[in-house]
Amino acid sequence: DQQVKQNSPSLSVQEGRISILNCDYTNSMFDYFLWYKKYPAEGPTFLISISSIKDKNEDGRFTVFLNKSAKHLSLHIVPSQPGDSAVYFCAASGGTYKYIFGTGTRLKVLA
Amino acid sequence: GAGVSQSPSNKVTEKGKDVELRCDPISGHTALYWYRQSLGQGLEFLIYFQGNSAPDKSGLPSDRFSAERTGGSVSTLTIQRTQQEDSAVYLCASSPPGGGLGAQYFGPGTRLLVL
Repeated sequence: DQQVKQNSPSLSVQEGRISILNCDYTNSMFDYFLWYKKYPAEGPTFLISISSIKDKNEDGRFTVFLNKSAKHLSLHIVPSQPGDSAVYFCAASGGTYKYIFGTGTRLKVLA
Repeated sequence: GAGVSQSPSNKVTEKGKDVELRCDPISGHTALYWYRQSLGQGLEFLIYFQGNSAPDKSGLPSDRFSAERTGGSVSTLTIQRTQQEDSAVYLCASSPPGGGLGAQYFGPGTRLLVL
């Protein structure tokens, strides 16, 4: 039973445009969410987080939106750059150390 | 400063052999995690250490898997009698004290292939 789902395995976006990566979850007890970026042959690196008391968190070109009623979060990257090409994972926690990860979305930003 | 390191980076072994994977967390990080990523899958939680103790071993797939952590630092994940389905990337992560809800810092992973 996949509690955190990233239904798009891949996404291609033109440089300069917006990239939108989506993540859905099923457990209503999840209240903290993270996005990680992963380059080939490297471990995931933390990108941005959001807690359930907020519906938006912004850090530079990266914004995460949380819709608790829909159990959905999204990561927006504006403008997209070729260096953003990577696999993006969302992860969710119910207030403990234990995170449940999605299967990832491979983003390709075309120059 | 130095990040999380893992060794070996790649390991090829024969079915039935034992393997040992090592993780060196960031100095001062009290929490340590092991994950597994099989092909086309997300990161699967295996075990969590707080200091040297493992309050949560719930993710270990079978009793062939074990892990220990010594001196609040280095951790080893041991897989006994490896099976082909154990082939995956094994990732280690650490986080600082009080960082329970914070980001985890990942190592580059060990790619295990069981023939």
